[in-house]
Order: sequence, then structure tokens, then C-alpha cells
Amino acid sequence: QQPVQSPQAVILREGEDAVINCSSSKALYSVHWYRQKHGEAPVFLMILLKGGEQMRHEKISASFNEKKQQSSLYLTASQLSYSGTYFCGTEYGAQKLVFGQGTRLTINP
Amino acid sequence: GAGVSQSPRYKVAKRGQDVALRCDPISGHVSLFWYQQALGQGPEFLTYFQNEAQLDKSGLPSDRFFAERPEGSVSTLKIQRTQQEDSAVYLCASSLTEYNSPLHFGNGTRLTVT
Repeated sequence: QQPVQSPQAVILREGEDAVINCSSSKALYSVHWYRQKHGEAPVFLMILLKGGEQMRHEKISASFNEKKQQSSLYLTASQLSYSGTYFCGTEYGAQKLVFGQGTRLTINP
Repeated sequence: GAGVSQSPRYKVAKRGQDVALRCDPISGHVSLFWYQQALGQGPEFLTYFQNEAQLDKSGLPSDRFFAERPEGSVSTLKIQRTQQEDSAVYLCASSLTEYNSPLHFGNGTRLTVT
């Protein structure tokens, strides 16, 4: 039931783009994306709902393909502040979120 | 306070001791969640409250784990007879409504069982 994220880790230079994928084996009601920096709390980025539009947060956007049961997070022109571990959280109609194992993103100058 | 507050920030317990972890959610938030996060892993669901009602406790790993939210605000996660495998960061999160609402996480309590 845990969603699968890919890749597990990404290393970028500042200004490069990245895509993080989140796939589920079950039908999804919604997908949340969070970023967690080392030793800190996860911070909400965006939520995607069934039938909803693609969302955007600064230069980060995300899509939700209900048919394929997957979501993708797009980071454009990455900044140093984007470094951290990104988690997708999937909701299957039971209110609780089930999180993926995370994607560690490192941005180098 | 503006955010979710958890205490203590760090807890070291000897195996067999009981511990109590506190969570103070954002005022007015209906839903409250407890997650367990092992090093390098994603948060794993433990239990969920809607106001004072515990609606889902399917993630509690054993009957040594107990959570309460008696007045629909502050919540306590209690672990009895701690074991080494209980060592983890325990995250509390609250959200304004029951559905499709962002989770606001606290900074967590890092529990180390020796």
C-alpha cells in the first residue's frame, strides 16, 4: 500500500531541473507532497485531488494521473533552498496519509 | 503558538521504561495524526484523531502503544515497556479539516531506547 517513489536520490547543479515520481498500486483520492530538511519537520508543498488541476508552488509544480495512479513533482531551475528529502503522501479515502520512502535531493552550487 | 509543538524534543529511555510524548496542535485543527519515522525512511502512520475521537489506530505496532486526545486538543502518545526497536522520531501533525487538508507537522520527538 506504500507508494513507490523514484528516483531514491538526485544530485543537481543549481539551475537544473528534476522530476520525482510517486506511484501507487491502489486507486488514489489525493496526493500530497512534502519536503523535509535534515532534523526538521516535513513541510507541506501542495495537494492534488482527483479531477483537480495541476498545482504549482513557486517553481515547483506537480501533476496527478488518476488512471495511472501516479503523481509527478517537477522542480524547475532548482535553487539551493530546494535541497532536502521529498515525500509523497497518498490518501485512499481513509483520511490518513501513507508516505513513500522519500527522494533525497541535493543541489550543488 | 503558530505551529504544532511537541515535547520533549529528545528522550532517552532505558529499555522497559514507560514514556509519554506530548503534542500541542494548531488551535482549531480538527484532525491530529501521529507518525513514526525511522532514520532515512518516510513517516509511518500510527494513529488518527478527529477531535477527541480516535478513528484509526491501525498503525500502532503493539498494545504497548497508546494515544489519547481527551479534550480534542493536546494529544499524548504513551509507550509502555519501551524496546530498542521503538527508537525513532515520533511526529505529530494536525490539519484544519478531515479531508484534503494539508498536514502541519511538529518538529518531532527523537526517542532513543538504550
